[in-house]
Formats: sequence, structure tokens, C-alpha cells
Amino acid sequence: GAGVSQTPSNKVTEKGKYVELRCDPISGHTALYWYRQSLGQGPEFLIYFQGTGAADDSGLPNDRFFAVRPEGSVSTLKIQRTERGDSAVYLCASSSPGGELFFGEGSRLTVL
Amino acid sequence: AQRVTQPEKLLSVFKGAPVELKCNYSYSGSPELFWYVQYSRQRLQLLLRHISRESIKGFTADLNKGETSFHLKKPFAQEEDSAMYYCALKPLDAGKSTFGDGTTLTVKP
Repeated sequence: GAGVSQTPSNKVTEKGKYVELRCDPISGHTALYWYRQSLGQGPEFLIYFQGTGAADDSGLPNDRFFAVRPEGSVSTLKIQRTERGDSAVYLCASSSPGGELFFGEGSRLTVL
Repeated sequence: AQRVTQPEKLLSVFKGAPVELKCNYSYSGSPELFWYVQYSRQRLQLLLRHISRESIKGFTADLNKGETSFHLKKPFAQEEDSAMYYCALKPLDAGKSTFGDGTTLTVKP
């Protein structure tokens, strides 16, 4: 597709469960970013990849959060032992070397 | 550390009035500044960036390094400008973009 694609668009899970969120970036974009957005706040940086490697993972809140991008294209954000405080919209973005971010529509995670 | 502050959560103006959305930043290196916009039921998208020095949809923004500001301005607001606006900073060489908490602009008829 032409834009950044994220699945699922909505995910409802129970506290303690494991969740995976997927991002398919724009073809050819080497940089991929994950952000988290809570109500009334701006996107909060989690991690970014340059190719297959995590160039900066300083925003991951704790070791329950992990992300991979094994072939330098699709990325998966993994959250273990989910907590109610993890409820948010998770945004993925990709960029060309020019630096402009192209966002997906987000995955809304609700932890009951 | 990078920090972006948007002091106004909500801003409301009448159609045809001038509008200014404020953005202040702190960063010790050379920054690139962006404005992103999110219209109702659409994804976040780039509005403009300081490096290109363009006017997009009548909006302009000037980087003021002395005041560490990048305010967004439009002389005559239109109803279709109603949206959520986010200011963002990225280091010039590489790295993550840091966003402010956004300003919701409402343009009343």
C-alpha cells in the first residue's frame, strides 16, 4: 500500500495478557518509529529503528515492552503482562532520510 | 534532552481572524522543527517544516533561535483549519522526533 499500515486498529485485552502490534512501513523507508499517545497528550517516543537495528530504545517504559524489525521492513511491538496503564493509541511512523514522519492510523489498545 | 512545550491546549478563533499557535523548545544542539496536523478522523500528517521555509495552506512558521520558539501563524483562519496541531523537534543530524502535547484549534463560523 501507499501509506503506513498498522494492525490491529483496535485491540481489547485483559490485564496480564500478551499483545503484539504490527506496523508495515512505506516501502523503502529505512527508519521506523513507535510512539504511544494517551488522551490529551502528544505522541510519546518509545523506540526507533534504522534498518533492522534499534537505534534508540530509550523510550520503552520497562522490560515488558519489546520491539523487533527482523528484515528491516515490518516491525512488531510486543507487550508482555499488560497492565491497565498500557491502554493508549500506539502509533507507528516511517521516514525517508529527509526526516518527515509518515504516520499510520494507530492501534488502540484497551487493557481491562 | 529534547523538550517541546505548547502552552495552549485549546484555541478558538472566528473565521477570518488571525491565529497563532505557540511552540517553545529546548535542545542544546541544532534542531529541526516541524508542525504536524491531525484533522478529524485522519492520521497525523506533516503541515510544514522550518527548513523548507514554505507556506502551506496559508500557514507559516519562523524558527527563532534566540527565543527558542517556532510559532505557527495564519493571517485569516478558515473553518477547515479546525484540527489538532502538534509541534515537533528532531536533531538535525539524526534521531527521534519529540512532540509537544498539542493545541486543539477551533475556527468558528
